[in-house]
Amino acid sequence: AQSVTQPDIHITVSEGASLELRCNYSYGATPYLFWYVQSPGQGLQLLLKYFSGDTLVQGIKGFEAEFKRSQSSFNLRKPSVHWSDAAEYFCAVGAGGSQGNLIFGKGTKLSVKP
Amino acid sequence: IAGITQAPTSQILAAGRRMTLRCTQDMRHNAMYWYRQDLGLGLRLIHYSNTAGTTGKGEVPDGYSVSRANTDDFPLTLASAVPSQTSVYFCASSTAAGGLNTQYFGPGTRLTVL
Repeated sequence: AQSVTQPDIHITVSEGASLELRCNYSYGATPYLFWYVQSPGQGLQLLLKYFSGDTLVQGIKGFEAEFKRSQSSFNLRKPSVHWSDAAEYFCAVGAGGSQGNLIFGKGTKLSVKP
Repeated sequence: IAGITQAPTSQILAAGRRMTLRCTQDMRHNAMYWYRQDLGLGLRLIHYSNTAGTTGKGEVPDGYSVSRANTDDFPLTLASAVPSQTSVYFCASSTAAGGLNTQYFGPGTRLTVL
């Protein structure tokens, strides 16, 4: 069965520091991978997605993610974090079959220190 | 502005009462989804609809029902609410069913069952 693991429940970084959020997936075929961000009290916004091709994908707000098949990972990175990046981040894999839904990780909450 | 609307924004409900959460999208998307978000559990699929007139069960369907009479609307009904249904509910849609299609999320409904 498909699954997504986000090992870090909560991460705190200083403003201006680099960021890496980890995501590992379990999926039999080539996965469709997504990162979403959720600001407090808000819905989910798509940051980026990977379907095929170049394993380094660029997203909105200066985020990027790298797909590594050998490690079953899709880590999210940002070179310099801004205070407005404080939010919860969800990694997801597109489920196969008729459902077509997303399988989400449990999320990583990012706090940013001034 | 195109997107997904959900109503109500929040609701406090007595156990045993019936409640319908509304979801409307104006993007002419074929597929729609209902997720619930619980602390530490991420988002889990309740029900989905690949096209108008069809629905299917997700990971946690018990106690919930849905209908899809037309493309735009996908209401979620709790026939007899229980405290364990206290959660934040998100509606989402995508152009078509299938894991590779980006899902767009509504702002959510915060439901408290007492």
